[in-house]
Amino acid sequence: GAVVSQHPSRVICKSGTSVKIECRSLDFQATTMFWYRQFPKQSLMLMATSNEGSKATYEQGVEKDKFLINHASLTLSTLTVTSAHPEDSSFYICSATGLQLDTQYFGPGTRLTVL
Amino acid sequence: AQSVTQPDIHITVSEGASLELRCNYSYGATPYLFWYVQSPGQGLQLLLKYFSGDTLVQGIKGFEAEFKRSQSSFNLRKPSVHWSDAAEYFCAVDTGRRALTFGSGTRLQVQP
Repeated sequence: GAVVSQHPSRVICKSGTSVKIECRSLDFQATTMFWYRQFPKQSLMLMATSNEGSKATYEQGVEKDKFLINHASLTLSTLTVTSAHPEDSSFYICSATGLQLDTQYFGPGTRLTVL
Repeated sequence: AQSVTQPDIHITVSEGASLELRCNYSYGATPYLFWYVQSPGQGLQLLLKYFSGDTLVQGIKGFEAEFKRSQSSFNLRKPSVHWSDAAEYFCAVDTGRRALTFGSGTRLQVQP
């Protein structure tokens, strides 16, 4: 149990376009979802925390207008990278947790490449 | 603010040898502690976690970790490493707000 999926697993886009990444909890209700970013050979950095039905809470230094997060249901959160630039190229990983869970479960990640 | 330190960026061990990966945290109280493993281009897999109680925690794949409050450490160990254990290992802490703070990671290479 406690499976989290992400789609797409890999995306390449042109500079200036927007990209949407989906994070789904497949077998539990995700009251809270987290979005992390991982640069090559580096650790994961928390970008934002989203609670279902509420606005996301962004970490310091993360532009909320650039990284739009929506958590409209208990099984789906989306991260939209708006007006993407090459420096946004990274590995984006979501995780989710629920009321009956004592830890968070991670998705497989999405590799974004902006040309 | 809480922080997690993994002093070893890269470790190489021979297959069958024992392994210890170090993790130190900085936090006023005892946080929730985790070890994750990540294969190249993949997501994270939870190896084990410590919330309270017995300070020696058993995880999957033969891993264990010991919480030492006096040293603010949560080192990961395995008595005999397999070639399939080659990966990146992350220590992480949760200080109560449920988001995780990760260490910088230790890359494990296993020699035949």
